[in-house]
Amino acid sequence: KAGVTQTPRYLIKTRGQQVTLSCSPISGHRSVSWYQQTPGQGLQFLFEYFSETQRNKGNFPGRFSGRQFSNSRSEMNVSTLELGDSALYLCASSLGGGRGNQPQHFGDGTRLSIL
Amino acid sequence: DQQVKQNSPSLSVQEGRISILNCDYTNSMFDYFLWYKKYPAEGPTFLISISSIKDKNEDGRFTVFLNKSAKHLSLHIVPSQPGDSAVYFCGGSGGSNYKLTFGKGTLLTVNP
Repeated sequence: KAGVTQTPRYLIKTRGQQVTLSCSPISGHRSVSWYQQTPGQGLQFLFEYFSETQRNKGNFPGRFSGRQFSNSRSEMNVSTLELGDSALYLCASSLGGGRGNQPQHFGDGTRLSIL
Repeated sequence: DQQVKQNSPSLSVQEGRISILNCDYTNSMFDYFLWYKKYPAEGPTFLISISSIKDKNEDGRFTVFLNKSAKHLSLHIVPSQPGDSAVYFCGGSGGSNYKLTFGKGTLLTVNP
């Protein structure tokens, strides 16, 4: 069974640009969550999508947005990039139905560097 | 407001001995907890979880203990192996939502 796939693995952008990251969940998983990992803040929740709807949202500015497609694939967009957006962005998927007591399975992340 | 705290940034143990990683949480709504292991340049790998209706869950060498009254959980690895050397993250969620709140991680080093 293929795991969570994130593309691209590495990305370099400059301040002010925008970026789109992609995530393909494990087959059959309908929930996709996004996290930002930085050395100082650890793993922080961005948002979660289920059946093409944003179901949960973390405390990030509106420059961070996402969407989910009917095949459960998800994209995350960051506009007007800032130096502080440099981080590892991780996507995680889970079955998604019922209560939240299910493990989430992570991809290997996209390393975003802002110059 | 750090709702999940892993107060030990690092831990070093000898191969074959027990590793105990600790985690404290403040959110009373949390009812599901997980541990993940992360190697450099890879995503976190799910290890073990526990629901708040239990106080212990075991899977092979890994056991998680939950003390709800103290809002504390711990991960025991017995016996520890060099391949266990990684960063371990504790996470919690609750209120029927899928938002996982993580601690900042503990770097475990198992020495041969």
